[in-house]
Amino acid sequence: GAGVSQSPRYKVAKRGQDVALRCDPISGHVSLFWYQQALGQGPEFLTYFQNEAQLDKSGLPSDRFFAERPEGSVSTLKIQRTQQEDSAVYLCASSSRDRRANVLTFGAGSRLTVL
Amino acid sequence: AQSVTQLDSQVPVFEEAPVELRCNYSSSVSVYLFWYVQYPNQGLQLLLKYLSGSTLVESINGFEAEFNKSQTSFHLRKPSVHISDTAEYFCAVSGVGAGKSTFGDGTTLTVKP
Repeated sequence: GAGVSQSPRYKVAKRGQDVALRCDPISGHVSLFWYQQALGQGPEFLTYFQNEAQLDKSGLPSDRFFAERPEGSVSTLKIQRTQQEDSAVYLCASSSRDRRANVLTFGAGSRLTVL
Repeated sequence: AQSVTQLDSQVPVFEEAPVELRCNYSSSVSVYLFWYVQYPNQGLQLLLKYLSGSTLVESINGFEAEFNKSQTSFHLRKPSVHISDTAEYFCAVSGVGAGKSTFGDGTTLTVKP
C-alpha cells in the first residue's frame, strides 16, 4: 500500500481483556517495528522484525506482550490481560534501508485506553 | 545502548523568528541521527537524517541540523519559522548496523502570529 496502515485506530478495553493491534506495512519493506508512546513522551521501542524473524524483543515490557509477523508482511501486537498502565498509542513503522540505517515510516497509531 | 536528550520540552516563538531545537545523544558506537516531526492530528514523519558525509543536513522545508560529534549534538535550526511549522519534533539516534532507533521525549514548537 501507499503507507503504513494500523487498525483499530482507537480501542477501549476493560482491564483484564486481551487486545490485538494490526499493522500492514509498506509493500516491500523488510523491516517492521513496534513502538509504544505514552502521553507526553517519545516513542519507546518494543520489538523489531526482519521479514518473519523477530530480531529484537528487548523492549516488550512484560510477557503479556506478544508480537508476530508470520508471513513477513502484516504484523499483530497482542496484549493479554490488559492493565491501566498499558494505555498508550502503539505505533508501527516499516523501514527502507538507506546504507545500513533503518529510516522509519510510521503509521497513524492505535490508541489503546484501558479502563 | 543509545540515549537521547531533548533539552527543551516546549519552544514558543513568533512567526518569522529563528528557532533552534536542541538534541544531545549518547552512544558507545557510531550513530545515525534523525529528526522526525508530528504535525497536529498527523502521524510521525521523517524530517531529515544524518547517515554519513556532510555533517550539515537540510530538509525540503528549510530546516537544517548539524551533526557535532565532539559535542554529541544534533540541533535542529530554521532561520525563519512559519505558523505551519507548529508541531512536535522528535530527535532519534540509531547505532550503525543496529535495528532500532531511540527517541527523545520531543519538543513542542509553537509558532505564534
